[in-house]
Amino acid sequence: EAGVVQSPRYKIIEKKQPVAFWCNPISGHNTLYWYLQNLGQGPELLIRYENEEAVDDSQLPKDRFSAERLKGVDSTLKIQPAELGDSAVYLCASSLRGSFSGGEQFFGPGTRLTVL
Amino acid sequence: DAKTTQPTSMDCAEGRAANLPCNHSTISGNEYVYWYRQIHSQGPQYIIHGLKNNETNEMASLIITEDRKSSTLILPHATLRDTAVYYCIVRVATNAGKSTFGDGTTLTVKP
Repeated sequence: EAGVVQSPRYKIIEKKQPVAFWCNPISGHNTLYWYLQNLGQGPELLIRYENEEAVDDSQLPKDRFSAERLKGVDSTLKIQPAELGDSAVYLCASSLRGSFSGGEQFFGPGTRLTVL
Repeated sequence: DAKTTQPTSMDCAEGRAANLPCNHSTISGNEYVYWYRQIHSQGPQYIIHGLKNNETNEMASLIITEDRKSSTLILPHATLRDTAVYYCIVRVATNAGKSTFGDGTTLTVKP
């Protein structure tokens, strides 16, 4: 079974440039999460999708960050414009919704963003 | 979701049991204890979760105290590949439960 796929794995951009990250969750997983992880810290939730609907985006900085999950499968996270402080690892995770799925989240390898 | 407290770092000798503690004194009745680990340059990996009974799987054992205010993750025979950051999270066992990761415990397994 294929895991969560993310691309690119690494991205280096200059500040004020736009950047986009792509995530393909595990087949059949309804719920998709985007996390941000700063160096030496645990992941922090940015947004959670149930199918196509963003059900928790309270931690997403909406002035520069946007996300979409068209057709309830793949998702894209965008930053425009990027700032120096956005340098971090962006993690995507997915899980299976059910009466009691256990709620385990399966994470991708992440995209390491460096803003110069 | 309840907050957890974990030691910043721990060492363990290869082949010995690694016991990682977690305090979660404000856990609610419907919240489970989850453990994840993150090996360098990889995404977090689910290990185990439980409500109040002890749980065991092929990776680890989870011991939860009777009052549920603390738990211990046990890796019975640690290997060098178990060197990672281990996160203890308490949350409801549905997709609506928000996984609030702290800074975790860095476990270093030494030869």
